[in-house]
Amino acid sequence: LAKTTQPISMDSYEGQEVNITCSHNNIATNDYITWYQQFPSQGPRFIIQGYKTKVTNEVASLFIPADRKSSTLSLPRVSLSDTAVYYCLVGDRGTDKLIFGTGTRLQVFP
Amino acid sequence: DARVTQTPRHKVTEMGQEVTMRCQPILGHNTVFWYRQTMMQGLELLAYFRNRAPLDDSGMPKDRFSAEMPDATLATLKIQPSEPRDSAVYFCASGSPGSWSNVLTFGAGSRLTVL
Repeated sequence: LAKTTQPISMDSYEGQEVNITCSHNNIATNDYITWYQQFPSQGPRFIIQGYKTKVTNEVASLFIPADRKSSTLSLPRVSLSDTAVYYCLVGDRGTDKLIFGTGTRLQVFP
Repeated sequence: DARVTQTPRHKVTEMGQEVTMRCQPILGHNTVFWYRQTMMQGLELLAYFRNRAPLDDSGMPKDRFSAEMPDATLATLKIQPSEPRDSAVYFCASGSPGSWSNVLTFGAGSRLTVL
């Protein structure tokens, strides 16, 4: 199965940019790489997805290098409400199963 | 906003009892996933369906877990008999049609405690 690695936790302050990287190998060639945000007692919520290079939406940017062995979620100017756990989601090359990363707990301080 | 509805939100039961969790996916979504979340294992894929057909259920213990989609508006996950190690939050998610898109909408989860 595809293997993913994310930092367990990160700390930041309000207004700073935060970059969270997910390393993933053996992912499906044609699948998008997707990121989710999860608050306590809630299900994961879609943030952004991309295939290659850079994608930007109103809340985040996603950087994916040409070899697609990693992806970096960038949150510009974080606020307290961005405190959550962030997961990457990738498709497994052999089975097409959607596999979540291990998750990164982001704590934003005032 | 369209949402995925899961019931029950919380369930406490005793070991050996049958547990059934239900999910109403978003109308028009053709893929349905069941994930289990624990502190130790994170989010694990248990089973998923496309157009109501089971595509993979290799992530769940076959002897006690079963997942079905009796119709397009209902997915069920059943545990019989339940064990304390099944205590977790179970999430259902549905996805819209689209090549290679992995945008899933998750329900709020069913928190299961097996005593």
